[in-house]
Amino acid sequence: NAGVTQTPKFQVLKTGQSMTLQCAQDMNHNSMYWYRQDPGMGLRLIYYSASEGTTDKGEVPNGYNVSRLNKREFSLRLESAAPSQTSVYFCASSSSRVREQYFGPGTRLTVT
Amino acid sequence: DAKTTQPNSMESNEEEPVHLPCNHSTISGTDYIHWYRQLPSQGPEYVIHGLTSNVNNRMASLAIAEDRKSSTLILHRATLRDAAVYYCILSATIQGAQKLVFGQGTRLTINP
Repeated sequence: NAGVTQTPKFQVLKTGQSMTLQCAQDMNHNSMYWYRQDPGMGLRLIYYSASEGTTDKGEVPNGYNVSRLNKREFSLRLESAAPSQTSVYFCASSSSRVREQYFGPGTRLTVT
Repeated sequence: DAKTTQPNSMESNEEEPVHLPCNHSTISGTDYIHWYRQLPSQGPEYVIHGLTSNVNNRMASLAIAEDRKSSTLILHRATLRDAAVYYCILSATIQGAQKLVFGQGTRLTINP
């Protein structure tokens, strides 16, 4: 099992550019999440998907959109990147049966 | 969202027990107490969780105060690999998904 995978690992964008961060899990989990982590800070929830076909806002959703493509995949889109979105982005997944989130390795995004 | 308070940093010696405290005075009756840790340049990793009773697993023990306003993560015999940022988190479950609100955590240093 690969667990939670994220692509790309690194990305540099110019202000105003758009991009999509991809996340996939192979654990048959119902719920998936997107977090961001700024330097020296804890993670903050951007969006989550409790189950296939549903998405909800977290703490810091502004400037982002998400798509739960199927049970395995949950993507995060930045339509017009801003320097304030420079961060490390983590995807996670969980089952409704156990209270444990599994995290991916992260995507380091820099917006110049 | 209920918040937790942890010391910014702690230091311990290899092969000694470590007690990491957490205060959560505004915890609600349905909030679970979770602990995750994050090693450098990695995503967070689940450690343990509990509701009211003390919990043990292969990684650690969780001691929960009777009034649930505080808890302590216990690493019984620290190794150098336990050096990480430890997050104490209260979680609410919404439609099977867990909303985790990360604080800044405790940076644990292990001396050889």
